[in-house]
Amino acid sequence: NAGVTQTPKFRVLKTGQSMTLLCAQDMNHEYMYWYRQDPGMGLRLIHYSVGEGTTAKGEVPDGYNVSRLKKQNFLLGLESAAPSQTSVYFCASSPPGDRDGYTFGSGTRLTVV
Amino acid sequence: GNSVTQMEGPVTLSEEAFLTINCTYTATGYPSLFWYVQYPGEGLQLLLKATKADDKGSNKGFEATYRKETTSFHLEKGSVQVSDSAVYFCALGSYTGGFKTIFGAGTRLFVKA
Repeated sequence: NAGVTQTPKFRVLKTGQSMTLLCAQDMNHEYMYWYRQDPGMGLRLIHYSVGEGTTAKGEVPDGYNVSRLKKQNFLLGLESAAPSQTSVYFCASSPPGDRDGYTFGSGTRLTVV
Repeated sequence: GNSVTQMEGPVTLSEEAFLTINCTYTATGYPSLFWYVQYPGEGLQLLLKATKADDKGSNKGFEATYRKETTSFHLEKGSVQVSDSAVYFCALGSYTGGFKTIFGAGTRLFVKA
């Protein structure tokens, strides 16, 4: 069972370039999330979705956009990458209610130069 | 608002030592509590959970008890192994606007042979 799959695993971007990170889950989870993890900053929520066709802002949404056109997929877009967006990005999914915890992907390490 | 505070690391122990990682929380209502573990280069994995007061979560020799009177959820293991070296995150299930989990800052554990 794959769980949560993130692609790509690594990427280097130049400042101003755009890219899309893909998250796919095969557990039929309603909720999906995008986090970034930076040294000394812990996990910070970027955007989340409580169902197909819905998205909402998290703690640090600026510079990112998301889409949830299909229940199993949650895309994170960077329209114009900045060095401050260098980070490790994690996608997670969960059933509703948050009593079952999250299933995380293995992460995407993004470097913006 | 809701928050999670866990002990700063790193924590360095010898193999077979007893482990305690402290976690306290502030919350309204009756949140679920979680411990996640992150091994190097990987995403977070749910280690254990407790959904109500006095519940004990356990997995792989790790335990934590939901103490409402002290608002704590300390992680313990009786005998650590080198393979337990990882970062451990305490988390609280938050019901504010879409069931967003709040993560602690993480505690890095090093276990020496």
